[in-house]
Amino acid sequence: GENVEQHPSTLSVQEGDSAVIKCTYSDSASNYFPWYKQELGKRPQLIIDIRSNVGEKKDQRIAVTLNKTAKHFSLHITETQPEDSAVYFCAHSGTYKYIFGTGTRLKVLA
Amino acid sequence: EAGVVQSPRYKIIEKKQPVAFWCNPISGHNTLYWYRQNLGQGPELLIRYENEEAVDDSQLPKDRFSAERLKGVDSTLKIQPAELGDSAVYLCASGEYSGSSTGELFFGEGSRLTVL
Repeated sequence: GENVEQHPSTLSVQEGDSAVIKCTYSDSASNYFPWYKQELGKRPQLIIDIRSNVGEKKDQRIAVTLNKTAKHFSLHITETQPEDSAVYFCAHSGTYKYIFGTGTRLKVLA
Repeated sequence: EAGVVQSPRYKIIEKKQPVAFWCNPISGHNTLYWYRQNLGQGPELLIRYENEEAVDDSQLPKDRFSAERLKGVDSTLKIQPAELGDSAVYLCASGEYSGSSTGELFFGEGSRLTVL
């Protein structure tokens, strides 16, 4: 009941196009949904997050949407750039758990 | 302000040997996590501390893994004896828990373990 499914596992887009990554969770107690970016050999770093009392949040080219009824949330990156190439992880957290998805390797082709 | 500090960054050992990893979280953070990350996969939670109490260690293989967080600050993760399958990056992270949820986690650089 704690795992999170993340799709797709790999995603290639042309520079300037949009990228969408989706995650589905099952723990109804989760109330915090962050997204982390991990570049090769580096530590994961938060890029955007959303709490369960909000449906959508946007920060420049990045947006996250949450459907708590359906238990899924998505990361949207618009106008992708080569420096967006990395592995992206969704996560969900409740009282005690902080569980990560399996990751999406995004490649932005110049 | 210093971030989460981990050591060692790299460790190569032979199987059946012991190994220990150390983590110094961000000052003031009451939660500390140890994750294991295999190549190409997401971080897998091993143990979560709130102050000095381990509130979730359900995923920690207790036959060979142990962890402690004395005085609610630094933490160590030990593996004894190590097996080939333990090769991975061990990530430490810290954050602030408000009583109902946790916010951003700040990760250390990780300790890359290779078991030969």
